[in-house]
Amino acid sequence: TQLLEQSPQFLSIQEGENLTVYCNSSSVFSSLQWYRQEPGEGPVLLVTVVTGGEVKKLKRLTFQFGDARKDSSLHITAAQPGDTGLYLCAGVLTGGGNKLTFGTGTQLKVEL
Amino acid sequence: NAGVMQNPRHLVRRRGQEARLRCSPMKGHSHVYWYRQLPEEGLKFMVYLQKENIIDESGMPKERFSAEFPKEGPSILRIQQVVRGDSAAYFCASSPRTANTGELFFGEGSRLTVL
Repeated sequence: TQLLEQSPQFLSIQEGENLTVYCNSSSVFSSLQWYRQEPGEGPVLLVTVVTGGEVKKLKRLTFQFGDARKDSSLHITAAQPGDTGLYLCAGVLTGGGNKLTFGTGTQLKVEL
Repeated sequence: NAGVMQNPRHLVRRRGQEARLRCSPMKGHSHVYWYRQLPEEGLKFMVYLQKENIIDESGMPKERFSAEFPKEGPSILRIQQVVRGDSAAYFCASSPRTANTGELFFGEGSRLTVL
């Protein structure tokens, strides 16, 4: 059983479309991160959210942490081919020490 | 290059051989994490180390796998008597402090193929 479930698992869209990726858990996290990973490379941190209900924006990307700190979403506006990659949510469980638990991943492909 | 350095980037081993993966953290970082990733999957935590100490090895198989982070030199992930199921990408990450905010800096990974 995965602690952090992401949906959808795969997403293929056209340039200019909007999309939302979800990250859900039944556990409470003290913080939650979103990473992006490109083929042959390591994950790169996009954002960290720590407060329930927090919303952060990074250009065309909007990240939200659920009020109960059990879930998060990533919304991309007007997707571009450069957004293509594997999006991973990750979190530190409340009382879980220093271990970062990763989600199942969402593979996004944005086509021209 | 001030990033996390991993080597080798690619490693091929036959069943029963040993694999040694090395990780040099970012300058000033004293906390190292190892993760394993199978194709099209997320990353699975293996072990968390500080200099000369293993802090959390709850994700590491009890047999054949070991990790160290000596006072001098890189962190080493060692896999003895490799089997085909060990084929994966192994990522190292570092942080300047305890990563209770989850902000880790990852290397580009070492891809192990067991024949």
